[in-house]
Amino acid sequence: AQKVTQAQTEISVVEKEDVTLDCVYETRDTTYYLFWYKQPPSGELVFLIRRNSFDEQNEISGRYSWNFQKSTSSFNFTITASQVVDSAVYFCALSEAYSGAGSYQLTFGKGTKLSVIP
Amino acid sequence: DGGITQSPKYLFRKEGQNVTLSCEQNLNHDAMYWYRQDPGQGLRLIYYSQIVNDFQKGDIAEGYSVSREKKESFPLTVTSAQKNPTAFYLCASQGLGQGDGYTFGSGTRLTVV
Repeated sequence: AQKVTQAQTEISVVEKEDVTLDCVYETRDTTYYLFWYKQPPSGELVFLIRRNSFDEQNEISGRYSWNFQKSTSSFNFTITASQVVDSAVYFCALSEAYSGAGSYQLTFGKGTKLSVIP
Repeated sequence: DGGITQSPKYLFRKEGQNVTLSCEQNLNHDAMYWYRQDPGQGLRLIYYSQIVNDFQKGDIAEGYSVSREKKESFPLTVTSAQKNPTAFYLCASQGLGQGDGYTFGSGTRLTVV
């Protein structure tokens, strides 16, 4: 069965510090997708990134970067020079190959609450 | 613009009353999901549907019911049998392509007094 672990429940950093959110996953499939979502205080989950299992290149988008390492089954998320607006709950999720149930259902980690202090 | 709409944003109900939360999408997505989120907690799956007129129980379906009469709509009813209904409810939709993520609604915060 697939599983996603976000061991950090809460993290607090001072503004402008860098912070890394950890995500470790378990799957038996060779084809799968990994996601990160952001949930700001307003509540809606916002899609940040998707990565498939065949693409281990790191991704950078502005102050955000993602490090995907199949060898350690990790998909970590780093925010550089954090800002107060980065304060949110961040969820990592995994989607395996077709389960036979008709959709590629996502399995979510429990989320990491990031507080950026001014 | 395509998206997924949940209404209302805030809902107050008296204990013992059934209440229905609305979820509508115009993304032409086949799959739809309902999650419950309690303060400081992750997402727990209540029900999901992959096709019209069919739906499946998730991890915490007791005390909830759903219907899927139209592709665009997946309403959730919180019944009086749900022992602790006060929570934040999130609806999501998904296409059926491999690697499709979820699109989430903005959520409904239900308070039962």
